[in-house]
Amino acid sequence: KNEVEQSPQNLTAQEGEFITINCSYSVGISALHWLQQHPGGGIVSLFMLSSGKKKHGRLIATINIQEKHSSLHITASHPRDSAVYICAVTPYSGGGADGLTFGKGTHLIIQP
Amino acid sequence: DGGITQSPKYLFRKEGQNVTLSCEQNLNHDAMYWYRQDPGQGLRLIYYSQIVNDFQKGDIAEGYSVSREKKESFPLTVTSAQKNPTAFYLCASDLGQGGYQPQHFGDGTRLSIL
Repeated sequence: KNEVEQSPQNLTAQEGEFITINCSYSVGISALHWLQQHPGGGIVSLFMLSSGKKKHGRLIATINIQEKHSSLHITASHPRDSAVYICAVTPYSGGGADGLTFGKGTHLIIQP
Repeated sequence: DGGITQSPKYLFRKEGQNVTLSCEQNLNHDAMYWYRQDPGQGLRLIYYSQIVNDFQKGDIAEGYSVSREKKESFPLTVTSAQKNPTAFYLCASDLGQGGYQPQHFGDGTRLSIL
């Protein structure tokens, strides 16, 4: 059972396009995370959210707790945004940190 | 600068050999985690530790062992019992406050079998 589903798996777009990556999950969560993984493999945390919307530069993350759904948007996309974007959740465990549950990632390529 | 250091970046293991992956953090985080990443799959939790001298098995702990003797360090040993060890291994840490804190990740170790 895959508790975190992302779509699309692969996305190629032209520079300047508005990008949307979707994430659905099936368990109760404490928080949802959007992560970015570059070709070298290192992972950077972009957002952690449990309600509403967050914005950082050209990136926007939203979450609908009732629908168990989150979206990551990139405005005015640029080739340097090319990376794998990973949705992950902290399942609600009633206390203590038990690790994240990850989606398989969305491989984004922005062409100049 | 605070962060997580994983070493080595690349590691090769012979059949029947144990190898240890290093993970050190200077973020003063209580919780540390080891994840495994395979092509086309999401990261999976191997082991985690919320406090020194205590750790818990994750979803795929078989064939792995860990220790947490110091707050800063959480080494992972891939034993000969792990039949398919070729993967990318990521270490992470956070404040451990019930999952309400972002995780910080190292740059990973890529393990291959000779």
